[in-house]
Amino acid sequence: GALVYQYPRRTICKSGTSMRMECQAVGFQATSVAWYRQSPQKTFELIALSTVNSAIKYEQNFTQEKFPISHPNLSFSSMTVLNAYLEDRGLYLCGARYSYEQYFGPGTRLTVL
Amino acid sequence: GEQVEQLPSILRVQEGSSASINCTYENSASNYFPWYKQEPGENPKLIIDIRSNMERKQTQGLIVLLDKKAKRFSLHITDTQPGDSAMYFCAATVRGAGNKLTFGIGTRVLVRP
Repeated sequence: GALVYQYPRRTICKSGTSMRMECQAVGFQATSVAWYRQSPQKTFELIALSTVNSAIKYEQNFTQEKFPISHPNLSFSSMTVLNAYLEDRGLYLCGARYSYEQYFGPGTRLTVL
Repeated sequence: GEQVEQLPSILRVQEGSSASINCTYENSASNYFPWYKQEPGENPKLIIDIRSNMERKQTQGLIVLLDKKAKRFSLHITDTQPGDSAMYFCAATVRGAGNKLTFGIGTRVLVRP
């Protein structure tokens, strides 16, 4: 079946530091990968859409300078949160798409101290 | 773009009864409507979806209806069980927008034994 792994599951970083998270699609080749942030009491905010061999499209309020993404192949994507601050706290979800269906990984929960 | 409204925000039902969640969307070009269930501390899991070429889909106690004229789609959980208690999110994808899912705000379903 289609599985999406994310690493790490939880991370704590000091304010102003950076952390990198990874997303791996297993059992299928993802046609595209979307990174979302789910903040407390909020629904899902789309950060960026990434398709292999295409430019990564960032949503308003999110930039490549803050959330650089690497998407080298159909199975793997990584995103870094640079200079993390309190407002960057939340659950970062990777959604890997196969055909119409989008499957989410377990998320990386980021706590910023 | 797309906007998705989801109601109600909280739904309390008695075990064995049915629960219904309604979502509306704005963009008539939306063609794929998934529903996700998220339990505390877990990632959202795709439970059922419907494409714009269908009006009804049913699987394992779940029914989803799509009314394209009204731009409305709904999830019906039949014979609710305590294990159905969770957050439920509807979403919509605009044709041609790739992997971009626009989510509703979520419905907390509480099933009373």
